[in-house]
Amino acid sequence: SQQGEEDPQALSIQEGENATMNCSYKTSINNLQWYRQNSGRGLVHLILIRSNEREKHSGRLRVTLDTSKKSSSLLITASRAADTASYFCATDMIRMRFGAGTRLTVKP
Amino acid sequence: EAGVAQSPRYKIIEKRQSVAFWCNPISGHATLYWYQQILGQGPKLLIQFQNNGVVDDSQLPKDRFSAERLKGVDSTLKIQPAKLEDSAVYLCASSTIKTLDRYTEAFFGQGTRLTVV
Repeated sequence: SQQGEEDPQALSIQEGENATMNCSYKTSINNLQWYRQNSGRGLVHLILIRSNEREKHSGRLRVTLDTSKKSSSLLITASRAADTASYFCATDMIRMRFGAGTRLTVKP
Repeated sequence: EAGVAQSPRYKIIEKRQSVAFWCNPISGHATLYWYQQILGQGPKLLIQFQNNGVVDDSQLPKDRFSAERLKGVDSTLKIQPAKLEDSAVYLCASSTIKTLDRYTEAFFGQGTRLTVV
């Protein structure tokens, strides 16, 4: 069974706008990761946040984690057309499971 | 640093035939994952190896799927016999895990796109 579930399923924005994606999970975790997948290609790791962290930044990415609500969010600021991809959250490295993903489209 | 290598990139077979996929992880990575990704869905974990031992194969359809990782390096995933619903991209990934709180990210190969007709 899948662990993380992303929301929304699809998101379409204009270049320069911010994009926010959410992830909910069911059981306790040690860490949560976000991955990006461009059409027809493999997944690329974006950022990892540990269960004892609440917020983490990497370039234009900001990830938050709320373990009490079993949820995480990924914010991409000042989006670019090249950010168009599917974004997945994954829980833990032991039995790493993915959600269905959010398909982000950034229009130039 | 070389990435995760998978072959073949594409495969078309008829139902009831058999097929095998090969994965060469990043050198030194003890953990290897096989995922099945059906179009429009997220990757589904089929099996996870730690060195040559199986950590999790709870979602592997063992009546038709098998996987091995001899010598804890390369891995093969086999389907026999294939069904139409096996049409998907099969992704291999590898990572290093030192302890439960010392992780690295997982690196993915480009995948093998299987079409069963």
